[in-house]
Amino acid sequence: GQQVMQIPQYQHVQEGEDFTTYCNSSTTLSNIQWYKQRPGGHPVFLIQLVKSGEVKKQKRLTFQFGEAKKNSSLHITATQTTDVGTYFCAGPEGSARQLTFGSGTQLTVLP
Amino acid sequence: DTGVSQNPRHKITKRGQNVTFRCDPISEHNRLYWYRQTLGQGPEFLTYFQNEAQLEKSRLLSDRFSAERPKGSFSTLEIQRTEQGDSAMYLCASSFNSPGNTIYFGEGSWLTVV
Repeated sequence: GQQVMQIPQYQHVQEGEDFTTYCNSSTTLSNIQWYKQRPGGHPVFLIQLVKSGEVKKQKRLTFQFGEAKKNSSLHITATQTTDVGTYFCAGPEGSARQLTFGSGTQLTVLP
Repeated sequence: DTGVSQNPRHKITKRGQNVTFRCDPISEHNRLYWYRQTLGQGPEFLTYFQNEAQLEKSRLLSDRFSAERPKGSFSTLEIQRTEQGDSAMYLCASSFNSPGNTIYFGEGSWLTVV
């Protein structure tokens, strides 16, 4: 079946530093979604990318979808303590009714 | 709050007992999903409903697991004869029936089997 891998698994940064997480799929994706899960919380939808090479920005967050639609990245500029959490990418599998999630990147921001 | 609601939020049960979780999706959503998440991992798909019809089930969903959505609104997930390996957070999610397939998760139900 489809596999979605994320690196790094953990990242510790000083507040104000940048952060990037990378996502790779074993198959071409029709779209990719990103979610954030705060400690003790549930995944919250951030964004969906559909087009090859697409770049979207949300304030300090920049999301990219690769040209081959098999990889994606999330970059956070000037991290803040509110950015703490685990960031997951997810891609539709099969009939596209189910999402395959990566194992996530856990971000810690040190004040 | 009109988000996805799940209960109970926490359940501790002895091995071999049955447990049931309930999910109330966002009212306008006709798709409902169950996922399972263990510590340090992303959510894993279990099953999916469109209205009252259960259209997909993961191979992860053993015979001890059963899910229903009798009237196309709320859903229940029952685990029979629980095992320690069932300890996890069970997440319900819902979405519109659209190609974008953005799903909205509930806060989850934590299960601990002792």
